[in-house]
Amino acid sequence: GQQVMQIPQYQHVQEGEDFTTYCNSSTTLSNIQWYKQRPGGHPVFLIQLVKSGEVKKQKRLTFQFGEAKKNSSLHITATQTTDVGTYFCAGRNNQGGKLIFGQGTELSVKP
Amino acid sequence: GAVVSQHPSRVICKSGTSVKIECRSLDFQATTMFWYRQFPKKSLMLMATSNEGSKATYEQGVEKDKFLINHASLTLSTLTVTSAHPEDSSFYICSARPLAGLTYEQYFGPGTRLTVT
Repeated sequence: GQQVMQIPQYQHVQEGEDFTTYCNSSTTLSNIQWYKQRPGGHPVFLIQLVKSGEVKKQKRLTFQFGEAKKNSSLHITATQTTDVGTYFCAGRNNQGGKLIFGQGTELSVKP
Repeated sequence: GAVVSQHPSRVICKSGTSVKIECRSLDFQATTMFWYRQFPKKSLMLMATSNEGSKATYEQGVEKDKFLINHASLTLSTLTVTSAHPEDSSFYICSARPLAGLTYEQYFGPGTRLTVT
């Protein structure tokens, strides 16, 4: 079945450093979503990417969707302590429409 | 807007008993709600898709007789864990897809932490 792999599993950075998490799907995706889950909280929708090669920005966050629509990345510039949490990608394939979540990348930021 | 609530937020029950978890969309209608399970430090695993007025669609490996889902209205879905066992202890999260607006959005509830002793 479809799998969505996400790396790294953990990332510890110093405040001000950049951070990137990568997401790879075993199959072509119709779209991909990104969520953030704070410690003890629930996933919060960040963004959806639909088009091949799409790049979207939200302040310090940059989201990319690969040309083949099988991979995606989230890049945070100059991390802050408020960025702490687990970032999940979730892909929807061309059939069925259900979201398959990656394993998540847990980000910790040292002040 | 787009708030989803879950009740209870935390529940401890004895092995063999049943537990009902409610998922409500507070300010929007949702024809589709999703139930996920999340283990510590792990990803969300989709258990089932709940459609208002029809039977839920369960993912492979999820026992429909053990995890009963009822989507009685456009704002309420319930998950009942029957004859709970310690291995059912987990964080259960629901999400709801609005009837109107952008169809790809899903809003997650705060989750219910179930502990079976």
